[in-house]
Amino acid sequence: EAQVTQNPRYLITVTGKKLTVTCSQNMNHEYMSWYRQDPGLGLRQIYYSMNVEVTDKGDVPEGYKVSRKEKRNFPLILESPSPNQTSLYFCASSYGQGYNEQFFGPGTRLTVL
Amino acid sequence: SQQGEEDPQALSIQEGENATMNCSYKTSINNLQWYRQNSGRGLVHLILIRSNEREKHSGRLRVTLDTSKKSSSLLITASRAADTASYFCATDRDDKIIFGKGTRLHILP
Repeated sequence: EAQVTQNPRYLITVTGKKLTVTCSQNMNHEYMSWYRQDPGLGLRQIYYSMNVEVTDKGDVPEGYKVSRKEKRNFPLILESPSPNQTSLYFCASSYGQGYNEQFFGPGTRLTVL
Repeated sequence: SQQGEEDPQALSIQEGENATMNCSYKTSINNLQWYRQNSGRGLVHLILIRSNEREKHSGRLRVTLDTSKKSSSLLITASRAADTASYFCATDRDDKIIFGKGTRLHILP
């Protein structure tokens, strides 16, 4: 089954404790992206990747890191999480460019205390 | 910075009626897409319209695109309870993808 998976689905952590949210797709998509969703603000793009070893900032990259060492994986790293990073996070992938149909993961709900 | 903006923010209609929501954007685009989200779940792609297209249909969905006005509309005909969800438009700006804040649609029985 074609899908985007994220782990963990739910995470409660404390300020400053490094964490990684994994994202994996099995559709051989070139483009992968991370979004955060906050009430009243819609989805905002954090980082995106056009292909392996190619990553770039979205609109809200501060406090986040990403890597794309393999085509299927695109982990999101929070080196020192803060309470303002409490949010619902989505990973997505698409064939070719990002302006093609995107396939979304189920989301990761992160709470930083 | 927000590229796409949906209007209205919220919409309640009776089951069986048609629902129309609009999206405006600021810069030139390659495609415009509409997505649906059910209550905090992942987004589901509904329809993609290319910048050289003016109208597209998919089942009960009809999307129009007016590049001169930088706007798009999504029409859902003969609404059903299962259409209750949030609807987002998404556009591209350079290689970034910009989502609007969404329209919350509630179908009343």
